[in-house]
Amino acid sequence: DGGITQSPKYLFRKEGQNVTLSCEQNLNHDAMYWYRQDPGQGLRLIYYSQIVNDFQKGDIAEGYSVSREKKESFPLTVTSAQKNPTAFYLCASSIAFGGYEQYFGPGTRLTVT
Amino acid sequence: GQQVMQIPQYQHVQEGEDFTTYCNSSTTLSNIQWYKQRPGGHPVFLIQLVKSGEVKKQKRLTFQFGEAKKNSSLHITATQTTDVGTYFCAGHGSSNTGKLIFGQGTTLQVKP
Repeated sequence: DGGITQSPKYLFRKEGQNVTLSCEQNLNHDAMYWYRQDPGQGLRLIYYSQIVNDFQKGDIAEGYSVSREKKESFPLTVTSAQKNPTAFYLCASSIAFGGYEQYFGPGTRLTVT
Repeated sequence: GQQVMQIPQYQHVQEGEDFTTYCNSSTTLSNIQWYKQRPGGHPVFLIQLVKSGEVKKQKRLTFQFGEAKKNSSLHITATQTTDVGTYFCAGHGSSNTGKLIFGQGTTLQVKP
């Protein structure tokens, strides 16, 4: 079954701790994305990667970091510098970067207290 | 920067009534996509519109892209309880940074 997996589904952390969210895809897609979703708002782009070993900041990259060492994997680290990290995080991929449909993973709900 | 506005934010309808959500961009779009997110779920791609004035149908869903490629709408005829969820439009700007800009979404509740 092809798709995108994110783990864990729920994550709880104490303030001041870094946390890494996993995203894996077996769709052979070149492009991958991380979005943040808050209640009443659309999806906001954190980081994206057009191809392996390359990534760019999205609209709200402050306090986050990513890596793209393998085509299938695009982990997101939420650092202690992120002022308001509690949110629903969605990973997505598309066959290439640009005007293509995006496939989303099930999401990780992060709660930081 | 480019913004995509979507209205209304919420809509409650009786089952069988029609529903429409509207999407407006501050700049011309090269294409627009629509996604549906069920409660507790993740966004799922519905359709992409590319041409000026394009209209596409999927069963009870009708999607339109404006002549100026700055607005779009999704119309659902005779809503069913399975239509419940949040509908997002998302556009690629014609300057094409390649990034998809999402509207805030319209959450649809359907009363049986």
